[in-house]
Amino acid sequence: QKEVEQDPGPLSVPEGAIVSLNCTYSNSAFQYFMWYRQYSRKGPELLMYTYSSGNKEDGRFTAQVDKSSKYISLFIRDSQPSDSATYLCAMQRPYNTDKLIFGTGTRLQVFP
Amino acid sequence: DADVTQTPRNRITKTGKRIMLECSQTKGHDRMYWYRQDPGLGLQLIYYSFDVKDINKGEISDGYSVSRQAQAKFSLSLESAIPNQTALYFCAIGSGAGELFFGEGSRLTVL
Repeated sequence: QKEVEQDPGPLSVPEGAIVSLNCTYSNSAFQYFMWYRQYSRKGPELLMYTYSSGNKEDGRFTAQVDKSSKYISLFIRDSQPSDSATYLCAMQRPYNTDKLIFGTGTRLQVFP
Repeated sequence: DADVTQTPRNRITKTGKRIMLECSQTKGHDRMYWYRQDPGLGLQLIYYSFDVKDINKGEISDGYSVSRQAQAKFSLSLESAIPNQTALYFCAIGSGAGELFFGEGSRLTVL
């Protein structure tokens, strides 16, 4: 069983829709959670970083962590075609912050 | 200039050949990483380095070696390439606080 599970998609939504992207994990030692966005033919870039349960909002993006269920989500409001990308969740253990564990990524397509 | 520069961006080679992928950075971060990305497997850590004298194995280091020639340069070598090393390779830099800055990737095809 992988430590981090993520549905690969693709997820196709119309412009303006609310998008929900999710990851589950098995290791309760994970304390820090990230979402990276990767455009085609580009490297991933950090989108959101959280280290506790609850919600964190940044513009149209909201990251949600539920440690009791070992479940994290990224919500995108008013989705735009420019949001079309692959979204990767990533997690860190507190005693080994250099070894990020990445999900496989979910490919999102937002059509006009 | 990009924060993280990888060369070459694309490379096709044959089984048994030696290949070197190079990475340089302009942000002054101590930590540098090499990742491999395969469809359905996500990003896997190959090697990482804290400074020129500190090299650490990641999850999938077999068949790879690295060299930290300077604080800003970190190269990945495949001594004898094999077809299952065909993948997209990323160099990344970071401060250890979780945020990684990635290069644009080097696509390697081993025939």
